[in-house]
Amino acid sequence: DVKVTQSSRYLVKRTGEKVFLECVQDMDHENMFWYRQDPGLGLRLIYFSYDVKMKEKGDIPEGYSVSREKKERFSLILESASTNQTSMYLCASSRLTSRSSNEQFFGPGTRLTVL
Amino acid sequence: ELKVEQNPLFLSMQEGKNYTIYCNYSTTSDRLYWYRQDPGKSLESLFVLLSNGAVKQEGRLMASLDTKARLSTLHITAAVHDLSATYFCAVIGGGADGLTFGKGTHLIIQP
Repeated sequence: DVKVTQSSRYLVKRTGEKVFLECVQDMDHENMFWYRQDPGLGLRLIYFSYDVKMKEKGDIPEGYSVSREKKERFSLILESASTNQTSMYLCASSRLTSRSSNEQFFGPGTRLTVL
Repeated sequence: ELKVEQNPLFLSMQEGKNYTIYCNYSTTSDRLYWYRQDPGKSLESLFVLLSNGAVKQEGRLMASLDTKARLSTLHITAAVHDLSATYFCAVIGGGADGLTFGKGTHLIIQP
């Protein structure tokens, strides 16, 4: 059973703080993703990574960075949090497309509030 | 730019009725995914459709894919209250293996 875990379910931070969201998967998946989910907008891809130390921008990367130092761990970093980054953040992982259906498995989400 | 449109975005229906949710997407793709999300919870994978004409069924839900029409449908048969949730379709294309999601269909099934 694939398991994707995220470090916090709820997080409250102040404007300007540096915020780290951690995601860990235990299925040796190559791909890892960060999405944010907002009412009326659905899920939008922020960044993804297909290998250690590799990263690619998604649709809305501005204001975010990522780090992947180990295959199982993918971190999302908000360098200077702003109120418009208040959102639900979802991490996902999958196998490489060529090896599978590329089905993505999601973590439980982190609800971040920036005051 | 890949766009994924679902309709309806909101659906209230009675138990026992049938209904269909539609998912249209704007560029060629042969992989389409359906997810379910309960309030306050994460996304649960329902179906993975990998080819034109693919049809998958699980209980009262059936999903199909027509890649020529760029259309997928999620059909609900004899709805029950437990199926109340938000349903998302998603297509590969948000940057390599990233998914582009529809806005979701909020489904309420009333007794």
